[in-house]
Amino acid sequence: KAGVTQTPRYLIKTRGQQVTLSCSPISGHRSVSWYQQTPGQGLQFLFEYFSETQRNKGNFPGRFSGRQFSNSRSEMNVSTLELGDSALYLCASSSLAGASYEQYFGPGTRLTVT
Amino acid sequence: GENVEQHPSTLSVQEGDSAVIKCTYSDSASNYFPWYKQELGKRPQLIIDIRSNVGEKKDQRIAVTLNKTAKHFSLHITETQPEDSAVYFCAASGNQFYFGTGTSLTVIP
Repeated sequence: KAGVTQTPRYLIKTRGQQVTLSCSPISGHRSVSWYQQTPGQGLQFLFEYFSETQRNKGNFPGRFSGRQFSNSRSEMNVSTLELGDSALYLCASSSLAGASYEQYFGPGTRLTVT
Repeated sequence: GENVEQHPSTLSVQEGDSAVIKCTYSDSASNYFPWYKQELGKRPQLIIDIRSNVGEKKDQRIAVTLNKTAKHFSLHITETQPEDSAVYFCAASGNQFYFGTGTSLTVIP
């Protein structure tokens, strides 16, 4: 099976702009989770989607949002970008919902905000 | 919420020696504990996991132990090789995943 894919792999944006990141899970996986990875904070959970519904949300401001489509592909949107949003954004897919099942990560999108 | 602490943050070992990375968690409801390996510039890869009804699990040179009473779990790598050099993350999950801050392991040839 093909692994989790993310597009684009790299992005450079300026403060105040918005950005949309995309994640395609492993075929047959219906759960997609998003994480922000920074050197100082490690991996921080953003949200999880399952069957087009947000199941869980981490402690991030409302500028971070997401959605999932009927084919399980997911998008994450960040509005009004701040310098501190510069990070590697990883998505992970799982065959089932919840946090007791194996997650497989995509390669990430490196976002740089200038 | 859950709080996962991971130690040490950096670890250097000689090739062939063993490496141990330890994590503690705070939420007794956490029931799944995966370990991920992330090589430089690459995605985190699941290398081993353990559930709360098991005390130990082994896969070739890698083993994980879990002490539910003390709320800690550890990753053990034996006969380390240079290709084991990477950042290792532990995680604890009940309702969502909480990750440790990572251990940078360097295996010196």
